[in-house]
Amino acid sequence: GQQVMQIPQYQHVQEGEDFTTYCNSSTTLSNIQWYKQRPGGHPVFLIQLVKSGEVKKQKRLTFQFGEAKKNSSLHITATQTTDVGTYFCAGSSGNTGKLIFGQGTTLQVKP
Amino acid sequence: NAGVTQTPKFQVLKTGQSMTLQCAQDMNHNSMYWYRQDPGMGLRLIYYSASEGTTDKGEVPNGYNVSRLNKREFSLRLESAAPSQTSVYFCASSEFASLSYNEQFFGPGTRLTVL
Repeated sequence: GQQVMQIPQYQHVQEGEDFTTYCNSSTTLSNIQWYKQRPGGHPVFLIQLVKSGEVKKQKRLTFQFGEAKKNSSLHITATQTTDVGTYFCAGSSGNTGKLIFGQGTTLQVKP
Repeated sequence: NAGVTQTPKFQVLKTGQSMTLQCAQDMNHNSMYWYRQDPGMGLRLIYYSASEGTTDKGEVPNGYNVSRLNKREFSLRLESAAPSQTSVYFCASSEFASLSYNEQFFGPGTRLTVL
């Protein structure tokens, strides 16, 4: 079945350093979504990408969707302690709203 | 506007006991989902309901049943709990107006331990 792989599993950075997490799907996706989960919390939607090669920015966060619509990345510039949490990508294929989640990347930021 | 609510927040069961996890949303969403989250595994879809009156299996449906009671409520039942079902359970909902617009909203989760 469809699989979504995400790397790295963990990342520790010094505050101010950049951070990137990568997501790869075994199949072509209709769209990809990114969620953030704070420790002890629930996933919260960040963004959705639909078009091949799409790039979207939210302040210090940059999201990309690959040309083949099988991979995606999230880049955070100049991390802050408020960025701590687990970032999940989630891919959708076909014509349903079902999402397949990656395993997540847990970001720790040292002040 | 509470969003997605789940009850209970915490539960401890003994092997073989049954229980129902409740989920309700007040956003008039068509689609609802049940996920489980285990360390290092991300979120795995158990069952989903694309619209009122329909339910379908997700990636890990074995040992679970669901009921879409009405448009607001979607319950998850464990008939005979097993230690492998120890997990955090999240309910989510989405409007799913189209593939370009299907953001999911998550509830706060239920932390279940099966002894």
